[in-house]
Amino acid sequence: GAVVSQHPSRVICKSGTSVKIECRSLDFQATTMFWYRQFPKQSLMLMATSNEGSKATYEQGVEKDKFLINHASLTLSTLTVTSAHPEDSSFYICSASPGSYEQYFGPGTRLTVT
Amino acid sequence: DAKTTQPPSMDCAEGRAANLPCNHSTISGNEYVYWYRQIHSQGPQYIIHGLKNNETNEMASLIITEDRKSSTLILPHATLRDTAVYYCIVRVAGGYQKVTFGTGTKLQVIP
Repeated sequence: GAVVSQHPSRVICKSGTSVKIECRSLDFQATTMFWYRQFPKQSLMLMATSNEGSKATYEQGVEKDKFLINHASLTLSTLTVTSAHPEDSSFYICSASPGSYEQYFGPGTRLTVT
Repeated sequence: DAKTTQPPSMDCAEGRAANLPCNHSTISGNEYVYWYRQIHSQGPQYIIHGLKNNETNEMASLIITEDRKSSTLILPHATLRDTAVYYCIVRVAGGYQKVTFGTGTKLQVIP
């Protein structure tokens, strides 16, 4: 199947700093990518839909000014967690589709805010 | 998207078939049944999907009841590497449609 990568795989940052997470579709183009967040022992929660060349669509309760999404090209979307706090520590996962029935998920990024 | 109901956990002996049920009684006519799984600390992996006919691929089989209100994912010969959380999702087809995850079934394959 198609491959989606994320970088970094894990990151530790200090409270108050910003962290950028990259999501890339390696062998296909994706006009739409999705960002999810997963807390321990919980299911994935959709945060936002990232659209190439336009603004992201955020789910209810997700602060768009805190979680900045940029979909600059057909193979790259970035999620920036601004002014991170310990409660932002989580597993962040992106997904993308080549336009077929399936969606392909990245391996995830473990964020720890100290 | 229609809501799904899955048992929170199941055990299966290694080498035996694992049958994971899912109820989706409010499914609409244009909604497909998708199955994903998530191995610990990894991103979800697509397994299979179907509309109304039974489907089979190299990973699993999907059995959908005639009224489409429930389905069963079958892993024919479970291995220890199949230990994961399995998510049954009902949604309109198309990669641009967002995926809404429920709580899933934690499958534990026992040696």
